[in-house]
Amino acid sequence: DQQVKQNSPSLSVQEGRISILNCDYTNSMFDYFLWYKKYPAEGPTFLISISSIKDKNEDGRFTVFLNKSAKHLSLHIVPSQPGDSAVYFCAATSGTYKYIFGTGTRLKVLA
Amino acid sequence: KAGVTQTPRYLIKTRGQQVTLSCSPISGHRSVSWYQQTPGQGLQFLFEYFSETQRNKGNFPGRFSGRQFSNSRSEMNVSTLELGDSALYLCASSLASLGQDFTDTQYFGPGTRLTVL
Repeated sequence: DQQVKQNSPSLSVQEGRISILNCDYTNSMFDYFLWYKKYPAEGPTFLISISSIKDKNEDGRFTVFLNKSAKHLSLHIVPSQPGDSAVYFCAATSGTYKYIFGTGTRLKVLA
Repeated sequence: KAGVTQTPRYLIKTRGQQVTLSCSPISGHRSVSWYQQTPGQGLQFLFEYFSETQRNKGNFPGRFSGRQFSNSRSEMNVSTLELGDSALYLCASSLASLGQDFTDTQYFGPGTRLTVL
């Protein structure tokens, strides 16, 4: 049972436009959500997180939105840059130090 | 501050052998988690250690085991290797800070690429 789902395995966006990556979860006990970026042959790099007490968190070009009623979160990258091309994973946890990751979305930013 | 380090970075083994992977967390981090990444499967949680105790465990067979030392360094062992164990094994550490507002972020090492022939 996949508790965290990223239904789009890949996404292509033009440079300078907005990239929107989506993530759905099923466990209502999750209260902390994270996004990671991963390049080939490297470990995931932490990007941004959001606690369930918020519905939005911004960090530079990256914004994460959380819709608890829909059990949905999204990562917005504005403007998208070629260096953003990577695999993006969302993760969720219920404060038990056990993190559940999605299967990832491969973002390609076209120059 | 140095990041999470994992050794070795690459490993080739044959079926039936056993392997030990090592992870050194960020200084001050007390929680260490291990993940397996295979194509199309995302990151599958193996287990998490805190103060030398396994606190959480994923759905992997008993051939996968781990331990944590008093300095928070951790090792993962896989016995009787199978072809399907070929994967990138990632270690992540976090502060494991206490408190009601859980905002503990995991930081990953570069991984160990295990190939089983």
